[in-house]
Amino acid sequence: AQSVTQPDIHITVSEGASLELRCNYSYGATPYLFWYVQSPGQGLQLLLKYFSGDTLVQGIKGFEAEFKRSQSSFNLRKPSVHWSDAAEYFCAVGARSSYKLIFGSGTRLLVRP
Amino acid sequence: GAVVSQHPSWVICKSGTSVKIECRSLDFQATTMFWYRQFPKQSLMLMATSNEGSKATYEQGVEKDKFLINHASLTLSTLTVTSAHPEDSSFYICSAKPGQGNTEAFFGQGTRLTVV
Repeated sequence: AQSVTQPDIHITVSEGASLELRCNYSYGATPYLFWYVQSPGQGLQLLLKYFSGDTLVQGIKGFEAEFKRSQSSFNLRKPSVHWSDAAEYFCAVGARSSYKLIFGSGTRLLVRP
Repeated sequence: GAVVSQHPSWVICKSGTSVKIECRSLDFQATTMFWYRQFPKQSLMLMATSNEGSKATYEQGVEKDKFLINHASLTLSTLTVTSAHPEDSSFYICSAKPGQGNTEAFFGQGTRLTVV
């Protein structure tokens, strides 16, 4: 079955610390991979995506993610977290043919001052 | 570019009434639009895929007679929640995929539906 796993429900980091949010997927073929961020009551903002090519992807707001095919992972990283990064983060995989997305359960990021 | 507008942003309706949510692609033509549902503090679940000019394809477990989807033009898809009940209260988000190019679908800002 196709699925996306975000094993961390909550993560708390101090402002200025580094961040890594984990994402693993189960899919029949290499899907398109996405990270979205959602603030409370808001829609989704795309942070970055992987379609093909370089497996280290740069996104907005200083985020990056690395696609590791052998581990079926697409972890999100940021070297220095800002208080404004506190939000819910969703990893998603999409079918290359239909662009239908399967979302992970989300990771809530809390930032300590 | 690639702006998707969803209207209304929030709506409160009485049980038994119907409510329509619009999803518009403002600066591109969307041959395919997707409707997702998000329960509080949960993830997004795909409800249905709509292609312009054809019937929507519903995901397993989604009642097509309750959630009516119409994609009559390349820039507009609507979701109508019929005979709404409190358990239909949720956050509904649409996304629209441009007809051209290998690009992802773009999300609207979502609609918070509360049924009282």
